[in-house]
Amino acid sequence: GDSVTQMEGPVTLSEEAFLTINCTYTATGYPSLFWYVQYPGEGLQLLLKATKADDKGSNKGFEATYRKETTSFHLEKGSVQVSDSAVYFCALINTGNQFYFGTGTSLTVIP
Amino acid sequence: GAGVSQSPSNKVTEKGKDVELRCDPISGHTALYWYRQSLGQGLEFLIYFQGNSAPDKSGLPSDRFSAERTGGSVSTLTIQRTQQEDSAVYLCASSLDRGPYEQYFGPGTRLTVT
Repeated sequence: GDSVTQMEGPVTLSEEAFLTINCTYTATGYPSLFWYVQYPGEGLQLLLKATKADDKGSNKGFEATYRKETTSFHLEKGSVQVSDSAVYFCALINTGNQFYFGTGTSLTVIP
Repeated sequence: GAGVSQSPSNKVTEKGKDVELRCDPISGHTALYWYRQSLGQGLEFLIYFQGNSAPDKSGLPSDRFSAERTGGSVSTLTIQRTQQEDSAVYLCASSLDRGPYEQYFGPGTRLTVT
């Protein structure tokens, strides 16, 4: 079946460090890919998405590129801030309109 | 405007009792999704509605779980004869339409089965 695998956390970085959170997926057909974020005490919200191969989603300095050849959608940010501390979820929607989420990666950024 | 709301926010119930969880989606959103988030786990997709129809119910964990949506708006998730393993946060989300649209999540209902 379809699935999403993302790197396990927790991840702790110093402010201004480079961030990568790996995400790979298994799906038939051509899924759309997402990163959702959950800030402390808040609900899940969309961070970025890509709907076809080679698309790059970007928002708030975060980027992720839909790589069909490696079935990956890694999240990156060049310089993290304390305010980026949150739990990040990789997700896909398949052609049957079913969503699959990864287990989440907790990020803590220290000053 | 109003976001997705869920009620109750917390529910403690005894094993074997039935519970109903409610979701009010954003007005005009035709697609509605239910998820379960267990401690230390990711989000488990349960079911989605397009309008009042649920095309695929295969994500529901057992026949104790059922869901309905009426008037293309409010949805209820019912768990019969609750078990301790049903303890989790149940999240509802809605989106403008089915497909790769942004989902707007509610705050969730934390269910504890004692």
